[in-house]
Amino acid sequence: DAKTTQPNSMESNEEEPVHLPCNHSTISGTDYIHWYRQLPSQGPEYVIHGLTSNVNNRMASLAIAEDRKSSTLILHRATLRDAAVYYCILRDDNYGQNFVFGPGTRLSVLP
Amino acid sequence: EPEVTQTPSHQVTQMGQEVILRCVPISNHLYFYWYRQILGQKVEFLVSFYNNEISEKSEIFDDQFSVERPDGSNFTLKIRSTKLEDSAMYFCASSGQLQLAKNIQYFGAGTRLSVL
Repeated sequence: DAKTTQPNSMESNEEEPVHLPCNHSTISGTDYIHWYRQLPSQGPEYVIHGLTSNVNNRMASLAIAEDRKSSTLILHRATLRDAAVYYCILRDDNYGQNFVFGPGTRLSVLP
Repeated sequence: EPEVTQTPSHQVTQMGQEVILRCVPISNHLYFYWYRQILGQKVEFLVSFYNNEISEKSEIFDDQFSVERPDGSNFTLKIRSTKLEDSAMYFCASSGQLQLAKNIQYFGAGTRLSVL
């Protein structure tokens, strides 16, 4: 799978927006950008995915750079429940069925 | 909302014993997976299963491991002779998406395996 890099950790205040960056400078034209998160003592949880256009769902927004070499997961109003490790993963039909999880970004939300 | 359920939530076993970890995937899903996460480390892929056979497996998934879908609902991971280093969280996941690039995997809450 193509490599992604994320900051090890970030902090946010409750009810403020959070922008979680991901760099993927070697992304190919057919790679989808996926975001998952892992709450404490839970399994990974799907957040959002996209290819080229920005995407919104009830959990978050995904902003994809025009050159697709980076993306940003946006949580519009962080809650204490959003404290988790966030993983940015690239997926392509040729990569096989398994997800390759990196270390992700540990998000702390301060009350 | 449909979810993947795993039992037990915590399994304690003696080294050398066999364990079976159980999972009930989401009912209309076709692809099934096991991952593990050693404490403080990354989530690692073990195996994927489709159409009643293993479709991919990692180097971790050696002869001590096996998977089975014994009936229409359960998906199990068996470790034949547990070692201390098998202590980890084991996550089951399932997916209904055929196209791999868009594949959304739904994970269970995990089984914590402690090998003593």
